[in-house]
Amino acid sequence: NAGVTQTPKFQVLKTGQSMTLQCAQDMNHNSMYWYRQDPGMGLRLIYYSASEGTTDKGEVPNGYNVSRLNKREFSLRLESAAPSQTSVYFCASSEYPNEQFFGPGTRLTVL
Amino acid sequence: QKEVEQDPGPLSVPEGAIVSLNCTYSNSAFQYFMWYRQYSRKGPELLMYTYSSGNKEDGRFTAQVDKSSKYISLFIRDSQPSDSATYLCAMSAGSGGSNYKLTFGKGTLLTVNP
Repeated sequence: NAGVTQTPKFQVLKTGQSMTLQCAQDMNHNSMYWYRQDPGMGLRLIYYSASEGTTDKGEVPNGYNVSRLNKREFSLRLESAAPSQTSVYFCASSEYPNEQFFGPGTRLTVL
Repeated sequence: QKEVEQDPGPLSVPEGAIVSLNCTYSNSAFQYFMWYRQYSRKGPELLMYTYSSGNKEDGRFTAQVDKSSKYISLFIRDSQPSDSATYLCAMSAGSGGSNYKLTFGKGTLLTVNP
């Protein structure tokens, strides 16, 4: 099993460009999450999907949209990237909300 | 006051030392307490998971929860250089409804020197 996979691993964008971060899990988990991790700020929840067909805002949703494409896949979209969105993005999945499994992360730089 | 406070360190210890990592929290609704380990440039991985108060042991690792003091700890015995990582505490209020969210501490960077 691959667990949680994320693409791309690295990305550099210019201000105003758009992109979609992809996440897939092969553990048949119901819940999926998107976090960002910044120095001195820890992990912050952007959006989550408790089950297929539902999505909810987390702590820092502004500037992002998400799509739960199916049970396996949960994508994060930046419509108009800003330098403040430079961060490391982690996707996670869980069957039980308190036992989350994380992907390897996407390092995003917005110039 | 932030919901979860964790000393960022860095913490540097010699190989074989006992390591104590701690978090305090303010939300009395928290019932589930987790410790994640994150190696440099990797995703966090779940290390320990405790429900309510008490101790839980797994090999060299012991997690303690004191809900009366709103204080949790992770002890690492006979620490090894391979334990060098950032340790994140995480907490949640429950497992149903809108309680799908974990609140993380900022992490403590640990280095174990050979």
